[in-house]
Amino acid sequence: DTGVSQNPRHKITKRGQNVTFRCDPISEHNRLYWYRQTLGQGPEFLTYFQNEAQLEKSRLLSDRFSAERPKGSFSTLEIQRTEQGDSAMYLCASSRVEKLFFGSGTQLSVL
Amino acid sequence: GENVEQHPSTLSVQEGDSAVIKCTYSDSASNYFPWYKQELGKGPQLIIDIRSNVGEKKDQRIAVTLNKTAKHFSLHITETQPEDSAVYFCAAGNFGNEKLTFGTGTRLTIIP
Repeated sequence: DTGVSQNPRHKITKRGQNVTFRCDPISEHNRLYWYRQTLGQGPEFLTYFQNEAQLEKSRLLSDRFSAERPKGSFSTLEIQRTEQGDSAMYLCASSRVEKLFFGSGTQLSVL
Repeated sequence: GENVEQHPSTLSVQEGDSAVIKCTYSDSASNYFPWYKQELGKGPQLIIDIRSNVGEKKDQRIAVTLNKTAKHFSLHITETQPEDSAVYFCAAGNFGNEKLTFGTGTRLTIIP
């Protein structure tokens, strides 16, 4: 059990650029979640997958955001045409039943 | 949707004393209440959780209590140690669906 792995740990980009983050969940965890955390706040749910199926998306997830989990293993989160308001920590988590295990996140800074 | 409020936002206690963090939730359908500890530069780490069919759960120095009628739950840390210093988050959701709603966090500082 190597834990949930996220890459990159930090990303600095200019407004208007596209960015992509990767998450590798704990092996055999069939559920994968994306959360966003801004400074001084708790994580906010964005979307989740059961195996390769994306089952729910938050209203926070605008059409500039897209997430995939092509083979039910790793997942990617892409943000197109980034805005300064997208600056946040993007957290990935995985679970099998009940308990959610988080990765260390990707810190996005949009300049 | 669910709304979780957490108090206090900051808490300082002397090493060895107890710390209590309180949360309230709004959705009576919520039945799963985990607590997470987040250290600087790391993701939240699950430290204890409780389901609504239980009123209290304890794990060594950490305990959680739940009052379903009042819709509030609390984290108790006894015999605090410097390594307990971190930000703690409560959350609420439904068992089997980990779409959690988090509180705003409590920054706990243990004074040596």
